[in-house]
Amino acid sequence: DAMVIQNPRYQVTQFGKPVTLSCSQTLNHNVMYWYQQKSSQAPKLLFHYYDKDFNNEADTPDNFQSRRPNTSFCFLDIRSPGLGDAAMYLCATSRVGGANTEAFFGQGTRLTVV
Amino acid sequence: AQTVTQSQPEMSVQEAETVTLSCTYDTSESDYYLFWYKQPPSRQMILVIRQEAYKQQNATENRFSVNFQKAAKSFSLKISDSQLGDAAMYFCAYRASYNTDKLIFGTGTRLQVFP
Repeated sequence: DAMVIQNPRYQVTQFGKPVTLSCSQTLNHNVMYWYQQKSSQAPKLLFHYYDKDFNNEADTPDNFQSRRPNTSFCFLDIRSPGLGDAAMYLCATSRVGGANTEAFFGQGTRLTVV
Repeated sequence: AQTVTQSQPEMSVQEAETVTLSCTYDTSESDYYLFWYKQPPSRQMILVIRQEAYKQQNATENRFSVNFQKAAKSFSLKISDSQLGDAAMYFCAYRASYNTDKLIFGTGTRLQVFP
């Protein structure tokens, strides 16, 4: 019954080697978010899509990109991962304009950079 | 800009007792939503409770209730009859109704529950 699915759960990548994390949803929500969460810290919003409109946070490094080819899927691309990019990456969805306002989260992808 | 502050990095409670987690926020908006999310060690974030700012009545979900003080911009979470499964990180979050697609989190409170 998973509604927001992130793959893979664990990803190990080499320093500087591009990596892509994926997120899919079965909720038909119009908003999809990517958060970065480092140990014992609050999730930090990187960017989000409102339908096809991409919204980048001002302090998100250029190293981070995103794609949303359709409603169900969203990808996080890290072009040249550094050691400081090791973190848990959380995908979330929400429906804007409906009665429910909360976000639904996936289980996250833990990224290790070696 | 809106901010969310959780001043208690860690809290502990004994099983069956009650604990209150604090949250304050700053906004110039009059209409918005507030949430408490729970993140257990398995790391999936789940919604605990939600409060609409235009509602004066405090939200309640079983053992979880909030004390929403709009004038003071305070939104605390009370957990009654604490259970071992309540041990987790708890995040307070804010979303403005005018910009309903952006969710802002506080720094979190780690709750430990002792038998």
